[in-house]
Amino acid sequence: NAGVTQTPKFQVLKTGQSMTLQCAQDMNHEYMSWYRQDPGMGLRLIHYSVGAGITDQGEVPNGYNVSRSTTEDFPLRLLSAAPSQTSVYFCASRLHRDRAYEQYFGPGTRLTVT
Amino acid sequence: GENVEQHPSTLSVQEGDSAVIKCTYSDSASNYFPWYKQELGKRPQLIIDIRSNVGEKKDQRIAVTLNKTAKHFSLHITETQPEDSAVYFCAAIISGGGADGLTFGKGTHLIIQP
Repeated sequence: NAGVTQTPKFQVLKTGQSMTLQCAQDMNHEYMSWYRQDPGMGLRLIHYSVGAGITDQGEVPNGYNVSRSTTEDFPLRLLSAAPSQTSVYFCASRLHRDRAYEQYFGPGTRLTVT
Repeated sequence: GENVEQHPSTLSVQEGDSAVIKCTYSDSASNYFPWYKQELGKRPQLIIDIRSNVGEKKDQRIAVTLNKTAKHFSLHITETQPEDSAVYFCAAIISGGGADGLTFGKGTHLIIQP
């Protein structure tokens, strides 16, 4: 199993541009989520999905969209990038929403918005 | 929602000494408390966790204690080694209760001095 994979590893955007961060898992996990990590702020939940076709907002959802058309993929879309979205983004998955003790993180995407 | 406070933000100890990182949580319904280690440029990795029906858990040089009454839990690392240098995050969640995202502390940068 590849586990949780993310692409790209690094990205530089200009203010106003849009892009999609990709996340995929091959463990047949129902639950997937996106976090952003900023210095001194820990990891904050952006959006999550408890299964294909079901998504919901986390703590910091503004400026981001998600969709979950398949069990494997959970892309994160930045609609109009802003410098405040400069961060490291981690995708995470676990078997089921109630199985928090089996959560796995992807390798991260470092995004810079200029 | 849940709020997790973590202290200290930076901890420097001599190699071979012990290190203790403390976290408090606000929601008495939280019942699962993982600790993650994040090396520079890497993804967070689960190192130990504890559930609310247990007061202490050990795994070789690391241990976690939980005080449900006071709503705090701690990570203890004994006989510290250079490879213990990293950022450590605590987290809390109501596992099985429908809450979906781990709430993280802001992290502790542990520095092991040779």
